[in-house]
Amino acid sequence: KNEVEQSPQNLTAQEGEFITINCSYSVGISALHWLQQHPGGGIVSLFMLSSGKKKHGRLIATINIQEKHSSLHITASHPRDSAVYICAEYETSGSRLTFGEGTQLTVNP
Amino acid sequence: SAVISQKPSRDICQRGTSLTIQCQVDSQVTMMFWYRQQPGQSLTLIATANQGSEATYESGFVIDKFPISRPNLTFSTLTVSNMSPEDSSIYLCSVGEYWAQGGGYTFGSGTRLTVV
Repeated sequence: KNEVEQSPQNLTAQEGEFITINCSYSVGISALHWLQQHPGGGIVSLFMLSSGKKKHGRLIATINIQEKHSSLHITASHPRDSAVYICAEYETSGSRLTFGEGTQLTVNP
Repeated sequence: SAVISQKPSRDICQRGTSLTIQCQVDSQVTMMFWYRQQPGQSLTLIATANQGSEATYESGFVIDKFPISRPNLTFSTLTVSNMSPEDSSIYLCSVGEYWAQGGGYTFGSGTRLTVV
């Protein structure tokens, strides 16, 4: 059974801090997604990666296929970054996404 | 990437009634997915809706409770039938033209359902 585990479950930071959210998965995957969910419930796709590292603005996502581990980093965090961040793995054999339980990030001004 | 319009954004419903959630996509997509997110939980796939055929339901979800329509390649509905308080969740639709468009999923804005 595919399992996706995230840590921490909750994270509170001060504005400007560097944030790291971790994701571990249990089986070989085709790609890993990082998603952002705002309080209203809508979800935005941040990154899809299958190797290496991707960067978009203040967000950086890395993945280590051998260790089955991915991280999402936020540099110079801002209160508007407050949201739930979810990692999800895509496994081709099942043709579906398996989601982690999410990390609730709160950035205080 | 595709843009999805999902409605309603939220509703409060009486137990025993039904609610139909709609998702409209701005482009033709092959596969649409319906998810449920119970309070404090991760997303769970309810079913995959393909145009021209019956939806494929995941274990624990049945068509009588969650009927799905997919009349064309840009539209789908999910009905939550005979609701009980346990159905209070966020429901999301998603599309994934995964390989054809270089990857990535797009999600609707979600429907926050409260059953009283």
